[in-house]
Amino acid sequence: NAGVTQTPKFQVLKTGQSMTLQCAQDMNHEYMSWYRQDPGMGLRLIHYSVGAGITDQGEVPNGYNVSRSTTEDFPLRLLSAAPSQTSVYFCASSPGPLETQYFGPGTRLLVL
Amino acid sequence: AQSVTQLGSHVSVSEGALVLLRCNYSSSVPPYLFWYVQYPNQGLQLLLKYTSAATLVKGINGFEAEFKKSETSFHLTKPSAHMSDAAEYFCAVSGADNYGQNFVFGPGTRLSVLP
Repeated sequence: NAGVTQTPKFQVLKTGQSMTLQCAQDMNHEYMSWYRQDPGMGLRLIHYSVGAGITDQGEVPNGYNVSRSTTEDFPLRLLSAAPSQTSVYFCASSPGPLETQYFGPGTRLLVL
Repeated sequence: AQSVTQLGSHVSVSEGALVLLRCNYSSSVPPYLFWYVQYPNQGLQLLLKYTSAATLVKGINGFEAEFKKSETSFHLTKPSAHMSDAAEYFCAVSGADNYGQNFVFGPGTRLSVLP
């Protein structure tokens, strides 16, 4: 049981490049979320999903896309990277609403 | 709208001393409240959560928190700090809107434990 896994662990991008951050969970959780963590700001919700085929925007969705074709996977796409997207990204899953969230180890992204 | 404030971005205590990390929230609906801990270069782990049952909630590693509605607070305490408690601690609030996914995190408090 691996829990929530994220790849890559670290990535450097140039402004304008696109990339996908991968997130997978093996706990059969319906709910999955993406957060970004910036110093002094805690975690901010980017997008979330309440089941396969259902996604919605969080607090800071601009510049990011998501899709949920399977229960296990919830990739986050950066369409055209900007320096303001330099951050640590965390994926989380939970079995249902208001339940404990289980976090992945994070992806550290640097946009030059 | 929900919000969370954590007083003190950095708290230092001596090993064996009381740990008190403060969290105040605002919420228009009955809140669910959480404390998470983050060790260096790791994701967040749940310490404890309040879901409208007992107001005093016990969590892992000897931590506990008390929900005080009149003070809109959910402070985290531990009677005796260990070196292994050094980490960053986040308070979070959630309500029933947005499918219960509207988690709002505080900015975090970094706890240092001095020998």
